[in-house]
Amino acid sequence: DSGVTQTPKHLITATGQRVTLRCSPRSGDLSVYWYQQSLDQGLQFLIQYYNGEERAKGNILERFSAQQFPDLHSELNLSSLELGDSALYFCASSTGAANYGYTFGSGTRLTVV
Amino acid sequence: AQTVTQSQPEMSVQEAETVTLSCTYDTSESDYYLFWYKQPPSRQMILVIRQEAYKQQNATENRFSVNFQKAAKSFSLKISDSQLGDAAMYFCAYRAIFGNEKLTFGTGTRLTIIP
Repeated sequence: DSGVTQTPKHLITATGQRVTLRCSPRSGDLSVYWYQQSLDQGLQFLIQYYNGEERAKGNILERFSAQQFPDLHSELNLSSLELGDSALYFCASSTGAANYGYTFGSGTRLTVV
Repeated sequence: AQTVTQSQPEMSVQEAETVTLSCTYDTSESDYYLFWYKQPPSRQMILVIRQEAYKQQNATENRFSVNFQKAAKSFSLKISDSQLGDAAMYFCAYRAIFGNEKLTFGTGTRLTIIP
Protein backbone atom coordinates (compact mmCIF):
# COMPACT_ATOMS: atom_id res chain seq x y z
CA ASP A 1 0.00 0.00 0.00
CA SER A 2 1.59 3.24 -1.19
CA GLY A 3 -0.59 5.44 0.99
CA VAL A 4 -2.30 7.05 -2.01
CA THR A 5 -5.83 5.72 -2.45
CA GLN A 6 -7.70 5.85 -5.71
CA THR A 7 -11.29 4.82 -6.25
CA PRO A 8 -12.78 3.16 -8.11
CA LYS A 9 -10.19 0.73 -9.44
CA HIS A 10 -12.21 -0.03 -12.55
CA LEU A 11 -14.93 1.90 -14.32
CA ILE A 12 -16.85 1.01 -17.45
CA THR A 13 -19.15 3.62 -18.92
CA ALA A 14 -20.75 4.63 -22.18
CA THR A 15 -19.77 7.39 -24.55
CA GLY A 16 -21.23 10.75 -23.64
CA GLN A 17 -21.36 9.98 -19.94
CA ARG A 18 -19.68 11.72 -17.04
CA VAL A 19 -17.53 10.09 -14.35
CA THR A 20 -15.67 11.17 -11.25
CA LEU A 21 -12.40 9.66 -10.12
CA ARG A 22 -11.33 10.12 -6.54
CA CYS A 23 -7.91 10.32 -4.92
CA SER A 24 -6.80 10.54 -1.31
CA PRO A 25 -3.16 11.60 -1.03
CA ARG A 26 -0.57 10.16 1.31
CA SER A 27 -0.81 11.59 4.79
CA GLY A 28 1.05 14.90 4.99
CA ASP A 29 1.32 15.42 1.22
CA LEU A 30 -0.15 18.69 0.01
CA SER A 31 0.35 18.22 -3.72
CA VAL A 32 -1.84 16.02 -5.88
CA TYR A 33 -1.10 15.27 -9.53
CA TRP A 34 -3.26 13.58 -12.13
CA TYR A 35 -1.79 11.63 -15.02
CA GLN A 36 -3.31 9.76 -17.93
CA GLN A 37 -1.74 6.60 -19.33
CA SER A 38 -3.22 5.30 -22.56
CA LEU A 39 -2.57 1.71 -23.60
CA ASP A 40 1.17 0.96 -23.56
CA GLN A 41 2.01 4.64 -23.53
CA GLY A 42 3.87 6.89 -21.17
CA LEU A 43 2.21 9.02 -18.57
CA GLN A 44 0.79 12.35 -19.65
CA PHE A 45 0.48 15.07 -17.03
CA LEU A 46 -3.01 16.48 -16.67
CA ILE A 47 -3.13 18.80 -13.68
CA GLN A 48 -1.63 19.55 -10.26
CA TYR A 49 -3.22 20.90 -7.10
CA TYR A 50 -1.38 22.17 -4.07
CA ASN A 51 -3.24 22.65 -0.81
CA GLY A 52 -6.52 23.27 -2.56
CA GLU A 53 -5.26 25.52 -5.33
CA GLU A 54 -4.56 24.65 -8.94
CA ARG A 55 -0.81 24.96 -9.46
CA ALA A 56 -0.06 23.60 -12.91
CA LYS A 57 -1.97 22.45 -15.94
CA GLY A 58 -0.84 20.05 -18.61
CA ASN A 59 -2.59 18.61 -21.61
CA ILE A 60 -5.98 18.45 -19.96
CA LEU A 61 -9.01 18.56 -22.20
CA GLU A 62 -11.71 21.14 -21.58
CA ARG A 63 -14.10 18.24 -20.95
CA PHE A 64 -11.98 17.31 -17.94
CA SER A 65 -11.80 19.20 -14.68
CA ALA A 66 -10.43 18.62 -11.23
CA GLN A 67 -10.50 20.02 -7.75
CA GLN A 68 -8.87 19.49 -4.39
CA PHE A 69 -10.96 19.73 -1.26
CA PRO A 70 -10.08 21.10 2.20
CA ASP A 71 -9.29 17.58 3.44
CA LEU A 72 -6.82 17.40 0.50
CA HIS A 73 -8.55 14.63 -1.39
CA SER A 74 -8.96 15.34 -5.08
CA GLU A 75 -11.47 14.48 -7.74
CA LEU A 76 -11.01 14.32 -11.49
CA ASN A 77 -14.20 14.82 -13.46
CA LEU A 78 -14.40 13.53 -17.01
CA SER A 79 -17.43 14.49 -19.07
CA SER A 80 -18.81 13.86 -22.56
CA LEU A 81 -16.67 10.77 -22.62
CA GLU A 82 -15.27 9.47 -25.89
CA LEU A 83 -13.78 6.09 -26.76
CA GLY A 84 -10.34 7.69 -26.79
CA ASP A 85 -10.64 8.62 -23.14
CA SER A 86 -10.24 4.97 -22.21
CA ALA A 87 -7.04 4.86 -20.19
CA LEU A 88 -5.46 4.33 -16.82
CA TYR A 89 -5.73 7.45 -14.71
CA PHE A 90 -3.17 7.85 -11.98
CA CYS A 91 -3.17 10.11 -9.02
CA ALA A 92 0.09 10.84 -7.26
CA SER A 93 0.95 12.90 -4.24
CA SER A 94 4.06 14.66 -3.04
CA THR A 95 5.33 16.74 -0.18
CA GLY A 96 6.38 19.30 -2.76
CA ALA A 97 10.07 18.68 -2.23
CA ALA A 98 11.70 18.27 -5.64
CA ASN A 99 13.97 15.41 -4.65
CA TYR A 100 11.17 13.21 -3.50
CA GLY A 101 9.43 12.30 -6.71
CA TYR A 102 5.89 11.16 -6.28
CA THR A 103 3.98 8.42 -4.56
CA PHE A 104 1.49 6.94 -6.97
CA GLY A 105 -1.88 5.40 -6.37
CA SER A 106 -2.80 2.14 -8.07
CA GLY A 107 -4.79 3.92 -10.75
CA THR A 108 -8.34 3.85 -12.08
CA ARG A 109 -8.86 1.86 -15.25
CA LEU A 110 -11.52 3.69 -17.29
CA THR A 111 -13.13 1.91 -20.21
CA VAL A 112 -15.51 3.86 -22.42
CA VAL A 113 -17.74 1.68 -24.60
CA ALA B 1 10.13 22.39 -22.73
CA GLN B 2 11.77 19.40 -21.16
CA THR B 3 11.60 16.12 -23.03
CA VAL B 4 12.61 12.61 -22.04
CA THR B 5 13.49 9.97 -24.62
CA GLN B 6 13.73 6.23 -24.14
CA SER B 7 14.90 4.77 -27.42
CA GLN B 8 14.51 1.10 -26.49
CA PRO B 9 10.84 0.09 -26.55
CA GLU B 10 11.74 -3.46 -25.49
CA MET B 11 14.70 -5.20 -23.90
CA SER B 12 15.30 -8.72 -22.68
CA VAL B 13 17.91 -10.26 -20.43
CA GLN B 14 18.75 -13.67 -19.07
CA GLU B 15 18.02 -14.21 -15.43
CA ALA B 16 21.05 -13.34 -13.26
CA GLU B 17 22.62 -11.26 -16.03
CA THR B 18 23.02 -7.49 -16.22
CA VAL B 19 21.00 -5.15 -18.43
CA THR B 20 21.20 -1.42 -19.09
CA LEU B 21 18.21 0.71 -20.05
CA SER B 22 18.87 4.01 -21.81
CA CYS B 23 17.36 7.42 -21.26
CA THR B 24 18.23 10.83 -22.63
CA TYR B 25 16.60 14.12 -21.79
CA ASP B 26 16.62 17.68 -22.92
CA THR B 27 16.57 20.66 -20.60
CA SER B 28 18.03 24.12 -20.31
CA GLU B 29 18.10 23.90 -16.52
CA SER B 30 21.31 23.27 -14.62
CA ASP B 31 19.72 21.69 -11.56
CA TYR B 32 17.00 19.07 -11.68
CA TYR B 33 16.12 15.56 -10.58
CA LEU B 34 15.91 12.36 -12.55
CA PHE B 35 14.01 9.22 -11.65
CA TRP B 36 13.45 5.68 -12.80
CA TYR B 37 10.03 4.19 -12.15
CA LYS B 38 9.03 0.57 -12.56
CA GLN B 39 5.54 -0.46 -13.66
CA PRO B 40 4.96 -4.22 -13.25
CA PRO B 41 1.89 -5.98 -14.69
CA SER B 42 -0.06 -4.80 -11.65
CA ARG B 43 0.27 -1.29 -13.18
CA GLN B 44 1.46 0.21 -9.90
CA MET B 45 4.14 2.88 -10.43
CA ILE B 46 7.09 2.15 -8.16
CA LEU B 47 10.04 4.47 -7.66
CA VAL B 48 13.27 2.58 -8.32
CA ILE B 49 15.99 5.18 -8.00
CA ARG B 50 16.54 8.95 -8.07
CA GLN B 51 19.48 11.14 -9.05
CA GLU B 52 20.16 14.75 -8.19
CA ALA B 53 21.77 16.57 -11.11
CA TYR B 54 24.17 18.56 -8.96
CA LYS B 55 25.61 15.37 -7.48
CA GLN B 56 28.33 13.80 -9.58
CA GLN B 57 28.15 10.48 -7.78
CA ASN B 58 25.88 7.97 -9.45
CA ALA B 59 22.97 6.77 -7.35
CA THR B 60 22.76 3.12 -6.30
CA GLU B 61 19.94 1.13 -4.72
CA ASN B 62 20.87 -2.50 -4.16
CA ARG B 63 20.96 -4.16 -7.62
CA PHE B 64 19.94 -0.93 -9.37
CA SER B 65 22.40 1.78 -10.31
CA VAL B 66 22.51 4.65 -12.74
CA ASN B 67 25.08 6.08 -15.09
CA PHE B 68 24.43 9.80 -15.08
CA GLN B 69 26.25 11.79 -17.74
CA LYS B 70 25.15 15.39 -17.26
CA ALA B 71 26.97 16.88 -20.23
CA ALA B 72 25.53 14.26 -22.52
CA LYS B 73 22.12 14.51 -20.82
CA SER B 74 22.07 10.77 -20.41
CA PHE B 75 20.64 8.79 -17.51
CA SER B 76 20.83 5.03 -17.94
CA LEU B 77 19.64 2.37 -15.49
CA LYS B 78 21.70 -0.73 -14.84
CA ILE B 79 20.05 -3.76 -13.30
CA SER B 80 22.48 -6.36 -12.00
CA ASP B 81 21.70 -9.99 -11.24
CA SER B 82 18.34 -9.69 -13.01
CA GLN B 83 15.45 -11.47 -11.35
CA LEU B 84 12.09 -12.61 -12.66
CA GLY B 85 10.42 -9.97 -10.53
CA ASP B 86 12.26 -7.26 -12.44
CA ALA B 87 10.07 -7.86 -15.48
CA ALA B 88 8.16 -4.63 -15.99
CA MET B 89 7.89 -1.39 -17.92
CA TYR B 90 10.56 1.06 -16.86
CA PHE B 91 10.01 4.78 -17.17
CA CYS B 92 12.61 7.48 -16.96
CA ALA B 93 11.35 10.82 -15.60
CA TYR B 94 12.59 14.37 -15.16
CA ARG B 95 11.62 17.00 -12.66
CA ALA B 96 12.76 20.60 -12.47
CA ILE B 97 13.74 22.02 -9.11
CA PHE B 98 12.13 25.37 -9.68
CA GLY B 99 8.94 26.21 -11.46
CA ASN B 100 6.70 23.46 -12.71
CA GLU B 101 6.78 20.49 -10.35
CA LYS B 102 5.43 17.96 -12.79
CA LEU B 103 7.29 14.81 -13.70
CA THR B 104 7.96 14.45 -17.42
CA PHE B 105 8.09 10.79 -18.42
CA GLY B 106 9.66 8.95 -21.29
CA THR B 107 7.64 6.42 -23.27
CA GLY B 108 9.05 3.47 -21.37
CA THR B 109 11.07 0.32 -21.97
CA ARG B 110 9.47 -3.07 -21.54
CA LEU B 111 11.94 -5.41 -19.85
CA THR B 112 11.53 -9.17 -20.20
CA ILE B 113 13.49 -11.57 -18.01
CA ILE B 114 14.34 -14.89 -19.66
CA PRO B 115 14.51 -17.78 -17.16
